Amino acid sequence: AQRVTQPEKLLSVFKGAPVELKCNYSYSGSPELFWYVQYSRQRLQLLLRHISRESIKGFTADLNKGETSFHLKKPFAQEEDSAMYYCALRAGESNTGKLIFGQGTTLQVKP
Amino acid sequence: DAMVIQNPRYQVTQFGKPVTLSCSQTLNHNVMYWYQQKSSQAPKLLFHYYDKDFNNEADTPDNFQSRRPNTSFCFLDIRSPGLGDAAMYLCATSREWNNEQFFGPGTRLTVL
Repeated sequence: AQRVTQPEKLLSVFKGAPVELKCNYSYSGSPELFWYVQYSRQRLQLLLRHISRESIKGFTADLNKGETSFHLKKPFAQEEDSAMYYCALRAGESNTGKLIFGQGTTLQVKP
Repeated sequence: DAMVIQNPRYQVTQFGKPVTLSCSQTLNHNVMYWYQQKSSQAPKLLFHYYDKDFNNEADTPDNFQSRRPNTSFCFLDIRSPGLGDAAMYLCATSREWNNEQFFGPGTRLTVL
């Protein structure tokens, strides 16, 4: 079964501290992994996808197939990073575009 | 410049009273999705359209139906809402299956 697990409901850090939001997945095929973000009172939006291998707003995420993980990292958190973050998986063989989401982690960056 | 619009943003209905949620898009995307997100849970796909082709998830209750009369609009109909159907309903679109999904702001449904 396809599943995405985000073990932390809430992650609270101080401004300038490193951040790592954890995401583990369960899928036997070739997955596509994404991070979506939802800022306060805004809609869900794509932050980054593993195939792009790019850094967005200072965030990076590396797909580790051996550990079935796709953790989101940022070396120095900013207050404006405070938001809800969802990890999502799409089956690489999918022809539906279906996303399977984790339950989300709220990142709180304190001044 | 809203690209995916959902109306209403908040909907209150009574137990058993049919309700329709609306989604429209200005992106001319082929694919439209409906996700259900219950409190503190992950968004879960209910069904989606590729153009006029409807694709239902196996575990979507029969109580939920959808219509897509044209490229721009997609509706979610709940025939007989139960208390367990109270949730945030998210509409999303993408140009093709493997493209980025753009989400609407959601409609929060309350069932009394």
